[in-house]
Amino acid sequence: AQTVTQSQPEMSVQEAETVTLSCTYDTSESDYYLFWYKQPPSRQMILVIRQEAYKQQNATENRFSVNFQKAAKSFSLKISDSQLGDAAMYFCAYRGQGAQKLVFGQGTRLTINP
Amino acid sequence: EAQVTQNPRYLITVTGKKLTVTCSQNMNHEYMSWYRQDPGLGLRQIYYSMNVEVTDKGDVPEGYKVSRKEKRNFPLILESPSPNQTSLYFCASSPTPLPGQGSGNTIYFGEGSWLTVV
Repeated sequence: AQTVTQSQPEMSVQEAETVTLSCTYDTSESDYYLFWYKQPPSRQMILVIRQEAYKQQNATENRFSVNFQKAAKSFSLKISDSQLGDAAMYFCAYRGQGAQKLVFGQGTRLTINP
Repeated sequence: EAQVTQNPRYLITVTGKKLTVTCSQNMNHEYMSWYRQDPGLGLRQIYYSMNVEVTDKGDVPEGYKVSRKEKRNFPLILESPSPNQTSLYFCASSPTPLPGQGSGNTIYFGEGSWLTVV
């Protein structure tokens, strides 16, 4: 079974600085999808960024980018120019090709210091 | 606006009193699912449905029922709630995942339903 591990329960960063959240996963599949979701205090699950495993190019969405290392099974999220509104719990998630569910990591709580 | 809508958002109920959490999506998605979120455990799938009248168990189905009579709706039923079902519940939907279609593999979540069973 696939597993997703986020080894940093909590992270903090100064406003306007850059922070990287780590995620590793375990799978025997070759085709799959990886996601980062943001959960602010409202507890809503908001999609931040998506990466298809068959694409070598790292996904980017404005200030958010990923470092996808398929061989190492690593999928880190980089947030540039951190803003107070970025404070949230961040979940890394995996979905196999055609799979019926997302497998989530335990989450990383990100604090932004003004 | 594309969205997944859950109701109620907040509910306190008593042990054994049947309740239903409704979920509706307006994106014509085939796939729908329920997750629960508990501290330290992330989100875990309860049930899922690949289309109308097609449902199957996820990782933690005990104590729950679902039905999919219409494509847009996927209610979660707790026939006899117990305190260990106190949790934050999410409904989710996506198109049928197809190879090479990243957007089709993205799962969209509702705003969550806080359920407390006393």
